Amino acid sequence: KQEVTQIPAALSVPEGENLVLNCSFTDSAIYNLQWFRQDPGKGLTSLLLIQSSQREQTSGRLNASLDKSSGRSTLYIAASQPGDSATYLCAVPDRGSTLGRLYFGRGTQLTVWP
Amino acid sequence: DAGVIQSPRHEVTEMGQEVTLRCKPISGHNSLFWYRQTMMRGLELLIYFNNNVPIDDSGMPEDRFSAKMPNASFSTLKIQPSEPRDSAVYFCAITGRTDTGELFFGEGSRLTVL
Repeated sequence: KQEVTQIPAALSVPEGENLVLNCSFTDSAIYNLQWFRQDPGKGLTSLLLIQSSQREQTSGRLNASLDKSSGRSTLYIAASQPGDSATYLCAVPDRGSTLGRLYFGRGTQLTVWP
Repeated sequence: DAGVIQSPRHEVTEMGQEVTLRCKPISGHNSLFWYRQTMMRGLELLIYFNNNVPIDDSGMPEDRFSAKMPNASFSTLKIQPSEPRDSAVYFCAITGRTDTGELFFGEGSRLTVL
């Protein structure tokens, strides 16, 4: 069973800052890692999916990196905006699985103020 | 893009009543998942189906919970009888047909059992 930890649990920053959200997992034998965003009262929105063969993925101002050997992933948000305020969760599958159960971290609650 | 419609969005019921939550994928998929989210435990997998067949129901808390997927376009999660500790947000999610493992969530059903 994977244990997924996210640091920090909460983050409050002024608009324009570059941010780093961290995710660690216990079993490095994963095929992929996903980052999600969750707005209050809403479902989760997939942001980035990194395959094990990749070291990073980029989408707009978001960049996610994956270091399997150390069991870590980082989500980098450039030039943060108030609209980025949400909870960000990372998730990994079972060892050796591409489909099936995902194990989620508890998330980083981000607040970006104007 | 993959998508899921869940109903009801909110349900308030009394202890002992039967609750049925519904999930309708609106795009092609291979796998369908039911997750539960609480403040105490975060996101937990209850059950998932692959090609309409239940694959892993080890997360179903007890016999009061049951899930069905009669066809590729519909799934239900039933709780009978409901208890206050079942209060949570229940999410349905699907993977797309590309089998990358990327997960797409519905907006969730918020259940309150009094």
